[in-house]
Amino acid sequence: QQPVQSPQAVILREGEDAVINCSSSKALYSVHWYRQKHGEAPVFLMILLKGGEQKGHEKISASFNEKKQQSSLYLTASQLSYSGTYFCGTVYYSGAGSYQLTFGKGTKLSVIP
Amino acid sequence: DSGVTQTPKHLITATGQRVTLRCSPRSGDLSVYWYQQSLDQGLQFLIQYYNGEERAKGNILERFSAQQFPDLHSELNLSSLELGDSALYFCASSPGLSNYNEQFFGPGTRLTVL
Repeated sequence: QQPVQSPQAVILREGEDAVINCSSSKALYSVHWYRQKHGEAPVFLMILLKGGEQKGHEKISASFNEKKQQSSLYLTASQLSYSGTYFCGTVYYSGAGSYQLTFGKGTKLSVIP
Repeated sequence: DSGVTQTPKHLITATGQRVTLRCSPRSGDLSVYWYQQSLDQGLQFLIQYYNGEERAKGNILERFSAQQFPDLHSELNLSSLELGDSALYFCASSPGLSNYNEQFFGPGTRLTVL
C-alpha cells in the first residue's frame, strides 16, 4: 500500500520553511525519508522508529505519529541545496518475518534565491 | 558515492529482447533491493534478497526475475521487454534484513526500450 505524500510540489524562497506530509493506511513500524536530486540516486535523510527513536540528518527534523500512521518532514530556513524530490517510505510487516518498505510518489521541492 | 555499484549505466534495446542488470552491494551489506523508477510512479519496489535468499516481493512482473549470488552481487533479468519497461532501475543495499536500517542506493541503470 503506497503512502500518500502532500503536497506534490512546493516552491520556496531561500530561508523559508516547508512541511512535507506522509500518511499510510497500514500500521507502520518505521518511516524513512530520502531526497533525490535530478539525475541522481536517492539519498537517505532520516528514519523514524516506533517509540520515538530517530536516526539521521542533523539539520532536518521529522515527526512520526504512530496512532495516525502519519509522518511529517520539517525543512527550516531552506537552502538552495534542499531542492530535490523528497520521498517518504513506510515500513510495514509483510509476513514470514519480513518487512516491506514502500515509497510514496514524492514531493518536488524547489528553493529559489 | 554510496559504495553500491550498478552496471551498465545506460542500456538501449528493442521490444521483445532480454537484458540483465547487475548490482554489487556495499561491502558487508547482506540485503539487496531492486526498484523501478518511472516518471509518474515514484520508486516502485520490485524485490529484496538477503544473503542469497528472496525475502520480499513487490510489484515485480512475471517477465522479471532476480537472484543474489554467493558473493552477494545481484542481477535483475528483464525479458520480453515492452516499451513501458523503459525506466530507471535502482539497486540498494543495507546491512541487515530489517527495514530499520537505511538503504544505500546505487547510481541506477537507465533502460530505454525502443
